[in-house]
Amino acid sequence: GENVEQHPSTLSVQEGDSAVIKCTYSDSASNYFPWYKQELGKRPQLIIDIRSNVGEKKDQRIAVTLNKTAKHFSLHITETQPEDSAVYFCAASTNTGFQKLVFGTGTRLLVSP
Amino acid sequence: NAGVTQTPKFRVLKTGQSMTLLCAQDMNHEYMYWYRQDPGMGLRLIHYSVGEGTTAKGEVPDGYNVSRLKKQNFLLGLESAAPSQTSVYFCASSAVGQGIFEQYFGPGTRLTVT
Repeated sequence: GENVEQHPSTLSVQEGDSAVIKCTYSDSASNYFPWYKQELGKRPQLIIDIRSNVGEKKDQRIAVTLNKTAKHFSLHITETQPEDSAVYFCAASTNTGFQKLVFGTGTRLLVSP
Repeated sequence: NAGVTQTPKFRVLKTGQSMTLLCAQDMNHEYMYWYRQDPGMGLRLIHYSVGEGTTAKGEVPDGYNVSRLKKQNFLLGLESAAPSQTSVYFCASSAVGQGIFEQYFGPGTRLTVT
């Protein structure tokens, strides 16, 4: 089955810096890659996603890139702010009509003022 | 529109006790899911349902049972709780149709088994 690895497990940056979180997946049939943000004690919330027919997607300060050949995808956050501090999860699934997500182990991002 | 709700929010069980976690959604979503979240392990799928009256096993189903008698509700049961089931449990739901639809998560249930 699918296996998703996520790095780093923790990431500390200064406010205004960029942050990059990387994930690799094992199943070449995976074609949907969402990213979730989870603040302390809260539920995971989708922040951006990408499908396999697209190489990059941006939404204001966040972007996701996908390299299907290498089977990895990354989350990029620019101009980080303290409110970006949270745990970020990547996930992968094959769109066979039902979305069975396999999650990475999470990255704790800490943005210091 | 409450989205996805879960009850209870917290629970402490003794080993061997049983309980049921309730998930409810008011978005008329066809698909529903139960995950557990453990430190350093991300979210893992326990069971899921693709429609009323149907359930299927996910990645870590042992020790759990589920039922989907009504479209809006998805119940997760622990028949004989074990300390290894101490975790935060999240329910999620998503729509069905052409394309891929976002999974919406509930607020979670923190379960401790002593």
